[in-house]
Amino acid sequence: GAGVSQTPSNKVTEKGKYVELRCDPISGHTALYWYRQSLGQGPEFLIYFQGTGAADDSGLPNDRFFAVRPEGSVSTLKIQRTERGDSAVYLCASSSSGTNTEAFFGQGTRLTVV
Amino acid sequence: LAKTTQPISMDSYEGQEVNITCSHNNIATNDYITWYQQFPSQGPRFIIQGYKTKVTNEVASLFIPADRKSSTLSLPRVSLSDTAVYYCLVGEVYAGGGNKLTFGTGTQLKVEL
Repeated sequence: GAGVSQTPSNKVTEKGKYVELRCDPISGHTALYWYRQSLGQGPEFLIYFQGTGAADDSGLPNDRFFAVRPEGSVSTLKIQRTERGDSAVYLCASSSSGTNTEAFFGQGTRLTVV
Repeated sequence: LAKTTQPISMDSYEGQEVNITCSHNNIATNDYITWYQQFPSQGPRFIIQGYKTKVTNEVASLFIPADRKSSTLSLPRVSLSDTAVYYCLVGEVYAGGGNKLTFGTGTQLKVEL
């Protein structure tokens, strides 16, 4: 595709429910990042994939958050037992291999936990 | 991990040059400096990246002094559409490739007529 695509664009869920957020990176990009952004704050790093493996998951806030990228392209961020504090915009970005390459961000998924 | 400090907000008028300075006193030898721009309800967008001295592209210039402890993003002749949040990032490089992009709170630039 032309850019990073995230679905859904908006998600409203009830406290305690399970949600999945999808990211389709730019074709050929091996690096994929997930971020979370609260109102008035900069994006907060969650996890980084290089290919299929999570090379850095140090930003995941707790074990309710999990992400996969089984075939090295599409990634899914999974949140179990959602809490109201999980409400935020979840951003995905991808970049080509190598260092200091430009990261391209999607429009984000706005998650609201009620 | 190098921490960055930049002004919370700046105001300007159309047609003026805007300079946003970022401090990164603990920058490591291999770290690059990258600036992103973010409009409301959109993901951040890459503006410019540099290692030292000066880098210029079609939208901005980046000035980095010899000690690399700060950098200045320069936007020539801003317009209303440049109203956005600007983030300064100092990239931590992963051993296997890729960069850990750590965002601060950014600088909210407001451009008025």
